[in-house]
Amino acid sequence: GIQVEQSPPDLILQEGANSTLRCNFSDSVNNLQWFHQNPWGQLINLFYIPSGTKQNGRLSATTVATERYSLLYISSSQTTDSGVYFCAVDNFNKFYFGSGTKLNVKP
Amino acid sequence: GAVVSQHPSRVICKSGTSVKIECRSLDFQATTMFWYRQFPKQSLMLMATSNEGSKATYEQGVEKDKFLINHASLTLSTLTVTSAHPEDSSFYICSGEGATEAFFGQGTRLTVV
Repeated sequence: GIQVEQSPPDLILQEGANSTLRCNFSDSVNNLQWFHQNPWGQLINLFYIPSGTKQNGRLSATTVATERYSLLYISSSQTTDSGVYFCAVDNFNKFYFGSGTKLNVKP
Repeated sequence: GAVVSQHPSRVICKSGTSVKIECRSLDFQATTMFWYRQFPKQSLMLMATSNEGSKATYEQGVEKDKFLINHASLTLSTLTVTSAHPEDSSFYICSGEGATEAFFGQGTRLTVV
């Protein structure tokens, strides 16, 4: 299957700081999504972004499919941004998840 | 976005009993749904692909006789953990694919005592 690597594995930020999370994948994909897993385990869809750039409020994402990576930008971070961020790629209708980035935003 | 509802959200059962988890797509039809398992502090691992009207496809290493999957309609898939043991304790999540992206249920935290 496809290998999905996320970095960094852990990130501690002061409230208000910006951050960039990275997702590398090993093969061509049909779909790439970013998720935020809240403390209760719910996966919240952030972006569906197989290519290009999208923005939603303080969050934005860019996927460069030809170079097999995606970036998630979080600006002006808030304590409610804390949690685990997953990148997942879809190839032949199977989702492969990265190991996640655990973000802790301190007040 | 589309809504996938998973029930129950939390269940505790005795070792040796069976537990059924339901996954419903509320506002779209899903010919294919997926079941994942997540151990503490780990990522999600695909267990099986649930196909409406046909047998599920299991990932390597997943026991099909232990994790029974039924996809009886375009909006409902069920996962039954049979003869559960403490090592089956985990967080189970289902997903369905909308027109373009996948949507996930709330997850079920299973504890086998």
